[in-house]
Amino acid sequence: GENVEQHPSTLSVQEGDSAVIKCTYSDSASNYFPWYKQELGKRPQLIIDIRSNVGEKKDQRIAVTLNKTAKHFSLHITETQPEDSAVYFCAGSDQTGANNLFFGTGTRLTVIP
Amino acid sequence: NAGVMQNPRHLVRRRGQEARLRCSPMKGHSHVYWYRQLPEEGLKFMVYLQKENIIDESGMPKERFSAEFPKEGPSILRIQQVVRGDSAAYFCASSRTGSTEAFFGQGTRLTVV
Repeated sequence: GENVEQHPSTLSVQEGDSAVIKCTYSDSASNYFPWYKQELGKRPQLIIDIRSNVGEKKDQRIAVTLNKTAKHFSLHITETQPEDSAVYFCAGSDQTGANNLFFGTGTRLTVIP
Repeated sequence: NAGVMQNPRHLVRRRGQEARLRCSPMKGHSHVYWYRQLPEEGLKFMVYLQKENIIDESGMPKERFSAEFPKEGPSILRIQQVVRGDSAAYFCASSRTGSTEAFFGQGTRLTVV
C-alpha cells in the first residue's frame, strides 16, 4: 500500500504568521490527496483536497500544492489564528473511486496569540 | 443528514472480553472504512468494506479482529479477547460511490482495563 510521510511533527507559529506542512508519498499511482484537521478529542474533518491533475488549490487562507514528479504535497496556512491550532493529517489514496486513505503521522500546530 | 454515527462513544472492557464497535454511514454512502488511532499517533487504515463485502483488509491484525457491513444495519468492528494494547480511538468513515471524499464519525474510544 501507500506510504505517506509528514513533517514536521510539531509546529509553533506566532499568530498572523504562515504555517507550512509537508508530505511525501511513495505510490506514483496515488491520485487524491486530502488534508484533515483534528481538534482535541474530535473527529478528523476534511479541510482541503487536491487531485493529481492539479498543481495547486486555494481556499481562503488555506492552500495546497502538489508536485507529482517529486511525489510531495504541502499545506500552507496564511495569517494563522489561534483557532487553527489542531493536529493536521495529510493522506493519499491509491485507488480511483475508493477512499482507503493512508495517513501521515500528523502535525500538531500551535498558534501562539 | 445526521452524518456518520458511531456508538458507543466510550467503551471499557476487561482483558479477555469482546468489544463491538458500530458505525452507521451517512445516508447514501455504501463505502465504510475503519481506522485506529493510538494516543498521540496518526490514523492507521484497518479495513475497507462495501455492503456485504470486505474490499481491503490489509490493515487488520490477523487475529482477534474482524469487520462486517451487512446488507441491513451498521458496520461492526469486532475485537475478541481484548488486550491492553487494543486501547485506542477507532474511527470509521464513509463515502458514496464515485466520490473520494470521506466523512468521519466521532470515534469510539476503547479502554481495556
